[in-house]
Amino acid sequence: QQQVKQSPQSLIVQKGGISIINCAYENTAFDYFPWYQQFPGKGPALLIAIRPDVSEKKEGRFTISFNKSAKQFSLHIMDSQPGDSATYFCAASISGNTGKRIFGQGTTLQVKP
Amino acid sequence: GAVVSQHPSRVICKSGTSVKIECRSLDFQATTMFWYRQFPKQSLMLMATSNEGSKATYEQGVEKDKFLINHASLTLSTLTVTSAHPEDSSFYICSARGGVGGYTFGSGTRLTVV
Repeated sequence: QQQVKQSPQSLIVQKGGISIINCAYENTAFDYFPWYQQFPGKGPALLIAIRPDVSEKKEGRFTISFNKSAKQFSLHIMDSQPGDSATYFCAASISGNTGKRIFGQGTTLQVKP
Repeated sequence: GAVVSQHPSRVICKSGTSVKIECRSLDFQATTMFWYRQFPKQSLMLMATSNEGSKATYEQGVEKDKFLINHASLTLSTLTVTSAHPEDSSFYICSARGGVGGYTFGSGTRLTVV
């Protein structure tokens, strides 16, 4: 019940295309859903986050779509660039943005020029 | 913005020795520090949660006598891997409660035990 399931495991997208990564959760107590970007040998960096009271949040080329009834959320990267090539993790937290994170399995994104 | 400085970034040690990893919050007070372990191409697994001035809480299956965590001040937490063995080789990452998004990660430590 504490798990967050993430798919796909890897993704290859052409430059300018849309990258979509999906996550699903079971525990309805989760109340904060961040996405992290991680480059090799570095710690994760917060990309964008959403709370369950909104269905969509957009920051630049990054958009989170949230479906509370389906217990699913997704990250959309518009106009994907080679510099976006990284590993992306979704996460869920109880107790808001300061609670411990339960991470998804990760998605390795490769954007081809 | 909030910064968590983690050192060393890479360390190689001999089997049987101990290694200390430090995480410092540079511009905010970290009342809580989370320690993660990450295997290649895998997710982050929470090892333990430490609160300043109290004993760490370890996740199920994590040996607390092997992974010693100290959080003696609001800006410093350490993880000591005692009597390290090759299977302890991994990427260790700390995260402090605080900063942007409420949760700021260090840059990680690549531990290799030979």
